[in-house]
Amino acid sequence: EDQVTQSPEALRLQEGESSSLNCSYTVSGLRGLFWYRQDPGKGPEFLFTLYSAGEEKEKERLKATLTKKESFLHITAPKPEDSATYLCAVRSGGSNYKLTFGKGTLLTVNP
Amino acid sequence: SQTIHQWPATLVQPVGSPLSLECTVEGTSNPNLYWYRQAAGRGLQLLFYSVGIGQISSEVPQNLSASRPQDRQFILSSKKLLLSDSGFYLCAWSVGQSTGELFFGEGSRLTVL
Repeated sequence: EDQVTQSPEALRLQEGESSSLNCSYTVSGLRGLFWYRQDPGKGPEFLFTLYSAGEEKEKERLKATLTKKESFLHITAPKPEDSATYLCAVRSGGSNYKLTFGKGTLLTVNP
Repeated sequence: SQTIHQWPATLVQPVGSPLSLECTVEGTSNPNLYWYRQAAGRGLQLLFYSVGIGQISSEVPQNLSASRPQDRQFILSSKKLLLSDSGFYLCAWSVGQSTGELFFGEGSRLTVL
């Protein structure tokens, strides 16, 4: 069974204080790792797809990286508007449709 | 552009009552459609997915059911709600198969009392 574990559960940063969120996974044949952002009371919003170890994707202050066992979401000089829950999900070779999600990391950026 | 609408946004239902949540997608044809549930302290859980009209696959045994009467309409139902059905229900769509890029609706918050 595919498993996704995100850490920390919650992270509080000051504006401009860079940090990283972790997503470790166990799958049988990774077919993609996905990052989403979820604002309170809203549906998740897609951020990145990573397919193979060594791959990196960037969007504004966010950069996602992938190894064979985990992914990191690096946040550089965050702003208060980056506050949200960040979700990690994987798709394995055993399922064409099912994404297995982690519980997420709640990020709070204080001004 | 594509949009997804989901309603109602919030509902409070007694145990044993029926449920109907609706989701429609605009601006695309033949989307893959999904129902996810997000319970407190748990990750998003896939409940149902559909690749076409009348084609429904269930991921988790439960007292919920789904239907797709039209290409861009997806309905989640229950005949008798349980306390454990409380949660945040999310409809999503994707283009094509085997993709992890999902577009989610705004969600429906269900509280069963």
